[in-house]
Amino acid sequence: RKEVEQDPGPFNVPEGATVAFNCTYSNSASQSFFWYRQDCRKEPKLLMSVYSSGNEDGRFTAQLNRASQYISLLIRDSKLSDSATYLCVVNMLLASKGMRFGAGTRLTVKP
Amino acid sequence: DTGVSQDPRHKITKRGQNVTFRCDPISEHNRLYWYRQTLGQGPEFLTYFQNEAQLEKSRLLSDRFSAERPKGSFSTLEIQRTEQGDSAMYLCASGRGNEQFFGPGTRLTVL
Repeated sequence: RKEVEQDPGPFNVPEGATVAFNCTYSNSASQSFFWYRQDCRKEPKLLMSVYSSGNEDGRFTAQLNRASQYISLLIRDSKLSDSATYLCVVNMLLASKGMRFGAGTRLTVKP
Repeated sequence: DTGVSQDPRHKITKRGQNVTFRCDPISEHNRLYWYRQTLGQGPEFLTYFQNEAQLEKSRLLSDRFSAERPKGSFSTLEIQRTEQGDSAMYLCASGRGNEQFFGPGTRLTVL
């Protein structure tokens, strides 16, 4: 079983749509969680951290359910510029382990 | 530009040759990570350093791969006796807390 699993996508949505991505992780020692964004032929960049209480950054909302080992990302009012691959990331640094990335979910927002 | 640099940006080699890649992290970052990414996949964890100590190495890595960070600053990743399956983008990232900053990557093509 992969350590981090995501919806494979691709997601093709019209501008203004709301889209949700899901992610599950297998290691209960995981301590912190993130969503990264990767544009085509570019390096990944941090989009937002994910906290147990849930957190929001503008049109983006991230949720974490530790009991279910589940992470989500919701994008509201999607823009053309949101088109990218969204990577779920799990961090186990306290266990002296590095970060683990999911395979990514590709989003295309169309006019 | 995140401040993480990698050299070379592209490397074409023949099967069986050895290659070495370099990563220069952001100077105040004590953590350094190497990943491998192939088309349509998320970054696959290879190894992780905290200062000069290599704290984790992926079980996916064969003995042909070795990484060093001799003074806790720059790092090198060497692949010996390259195989066609080694063709990928090799990404380096550095960080101090939870966030990672990625370099532009080295694209390796093994003929």
